[in-house]
Amino acid sequence: NAGVTQTPKFQVLKTGQSMTLQCAQDMNHEYMSWYRQDPGMGLRLIHYSVGAGITDQGEVPNGYNVSRSTTEDFPLRLLSAAPSQTSVYFCASSYGQALPNTGELFFGEGSRLTVL
Amino acid sequence: AQKVTQAQTEISVVEKEDVTLDCVYETRDTTYYLFWYKQPPSGELVFLIRRNSFDEQNEISGRYSWNFQKSTSSFNFTITASQVVDSAVYFCALTNQAGTALIFGKGTTLSVSS
Repeated sequence: NAGVTQTPKFQVLKTGQSMTLQCAQDMNHEYMSWYRQDPGMGLRLIHYSVGAGITDQGEVPNGYNVSRSTTEDFPLRLLSAAPSQTSVYFCASSYGQALPNTGELFFGEGSRLTVL
Repeated sequence: AQKVTQAQTEISVVEKEDVTLDCVYETRDTTYYLFWYKQPPSGELVFLIRRNSFDEQNEISGRYSWNFQKSTSSFNFTITASQVVDSAVYFCALTNQAGTALIFGKGTTLSVSS
């Protein structure tokens, strides 16, 4: 059972380039989300999804797009990378559609992105 | 607005010392959930505990214990007889009003030396 799998683990981009961070889970979780972690800032929610075809913005959505065409996958797209998007990105999933009903978030191992 | 404050940015202790990590939260919801996560140097996030707002009973799991006090909006975490393997960043988190996200504190970095 792989859990939550993120790829790539490391990536270096130049300003203006685009890329997609992949996230896949094999636990049939309805809820999936993307967080970014910056020094001294904790984790902040970028986007989330409560099921296939349903996505919504979190606290810091600007510069990122998501889609949820299947239950398993929740890719995060950077349209035009900026140095401010240098961060560690975590994908997380959970049972059900609402966290109080589902308990813990299962996190991927993180993707470290550097934008030059 | 909901908020989680971990006032201690860094704590350093010597092995076998007890240490308490503070977490203070703000919410207007009557139903909410609080969490603690551990992030060791390897970077992954490890779930430690979930507590709902109606359950103020303290919890103990081995060397770990949690003290939840609604009256002071605090959910503190104590490690008894700390060990070097406890060195990590610890995050306290609170469910948002819609139940669609966790609101994290900024984390407390715990360093345990031998």
